[in-house]
Amino acid sequence: GDSVTQMEGPVTLSEEAFLTINCTYTATGYPSLFWYVQYPGEGLQLLLKATKADDKGSNKGFEATYRKETTSFHLEKGSVQVSDSAVYFCALRGGGADGLTFGKGTHLIIQP
Amino acid sequence: GAGVSQSPSNKVTEKGKDVELRCDPISGHTALYWYRQRLGQGLEFLIYFQGNSAPDKSGLPSDRFSAERTGESVSTLTIQRTQQEDSAVYLCASSLHAGGSYEQYFGPGTRLTVT
Repeated sequence: GDSVTQMEGPVTLSEEAFLTINCTYTATGYPSLFWYVQYPGEGLQLLLKATKADDKGSNKGFEATYRKETTSFHLEKGSVQVSDSAVYFCALRGGGADGLTFGKGTHLIIQP
Repeated sequence: GAGVSQSPSNKVTEKGKDVELRCDPISGHTALYWYRQRLGQGLEFLIYFQGNSAPDKSGLPSDRFSAERTGESVSTLTIQRTQQEDSAVYLCASSLHAGGSYEQYFGPGTRLTVT
């Protein structure tokens, strides 16, 4: 079945550091790929998405590129802020209409 | 407009009791999903409804779990004879349509603790 693997956390960085959170996937067909974020005390919300190979999703300074050849969708940001501290989930949706498959989440902590 | 709402926000129950969790999706959303998030784990898909079609129950972990949805409105997730391993946050999401890249909007979740 489909699966998503993302780097274990917590990841601790200083403000203005460069961020990469790795995500790789296994899926049949051509999945859509997503990054969701859960800020402290808040619900899960979509951060960005990409629906086909080589697409780049971007939002709030975050980017991720759909790499079919490496089955990856790594999340990057050039300069993180304390307000980016949250749990980040990589997810995919397969060709069917069923639910999303999520990774275990990466807890990001940004220190001032 | 209003987002996805869930109730109760917290539920503590004794092992062996039945519990019912409620989800109100965003008005007009035809697809509704239930997920479970156990401590230290990612979200686990449980069940999904699309319009009036039969639900996809492929993710339900046991026959103690069931869910209903009336048309394109409220859904309830019922867990019978709860066990301690059922302790988790249960999340509901809705989307305009199922499949493809339609965004799923998540509710705040119900934290279930089975003692």
